[in-house]
Amino acid sequence: DQQVKQNSPSLSVQEGRISILNCDYTNSMFDYFLWYKKYPAEGPTFLISISSIKDKNEDGRFTVFLNKSAKHLSLHIVPSQPGDSAVYFCAARGSGYSTLTFGKGTMLLVSP
Amino acid sequence: DSGVTQTPKHLITATGQRVTLRCSPRSGDLSVYWYQQSLDQGLQFLIHYYNGEERAKGNILERFSAQQFPDLHSELNLSSLELGDSALYFCASSVGVQAAAYGYTFGSGTRLTVV
Repeated sequence: DQQVKQNSPSLSVQEGRISILNCDYTNSMFDYFLWYKKYPAEGPTFLISISSIKDKNEDGRFTVFLNKSAKHLSLHIVPSQPGDSAVYFCAARGSGYSTLTFGKGTMLLVSP
Repeated sequence: DSGVTQTPKHLITATGQRVTLRCSPRSGDLSVYWYQQSLDQGLQFLIHYYNGEERAKGNILERFSAQQFPDLHSELNLSSLELGDSALYFCASSVGVQAAAYGYTFGSGTRLTVV
């Protein structure tokens, strides 16, 4: 039973345009949602997070939106740059849980 | 460099063998987490240790075991290896017993190939 789902295995975007990566979850007890970025041959690195009591969090070119009623979150990257090409993982933390639950990831390719 | 060190980076071994993966957490972090990433799979949680004690278990096979030592480094032991155990194994660390709002810090992983 996958509690965090990223239904798009890949996404291609042109440089300068917006990239939108989506994530759905099923567990209403999750209290924090996180996005990680992973380059080949490296471990995932933390990108941005959002508390379940908020609906938006922004950090430079990256914005995460949370829609609790739909159990959906999205990561917007504006403008997209070729260096953003990586695998993006959505993750969630359950209140009282010690671990993060990850989605399968979406590979983003930003072309010049 | 994330500060989380995993060794070895690559490991090739035969079916039926046993291997040990090692992780040194970031300085000051007391929690160590192990995750497995197989082909077409996300990061699957295996096990979590906090200050030497097991705190949570995920989908970890009985053939796999782990421990965290007094110096806080951790080892993941994989035995009776099967072809399907071929995967990237990540270690991550965090300060507290629960993942913080910024999550964990991951190492660069150990790629295990079972032939």
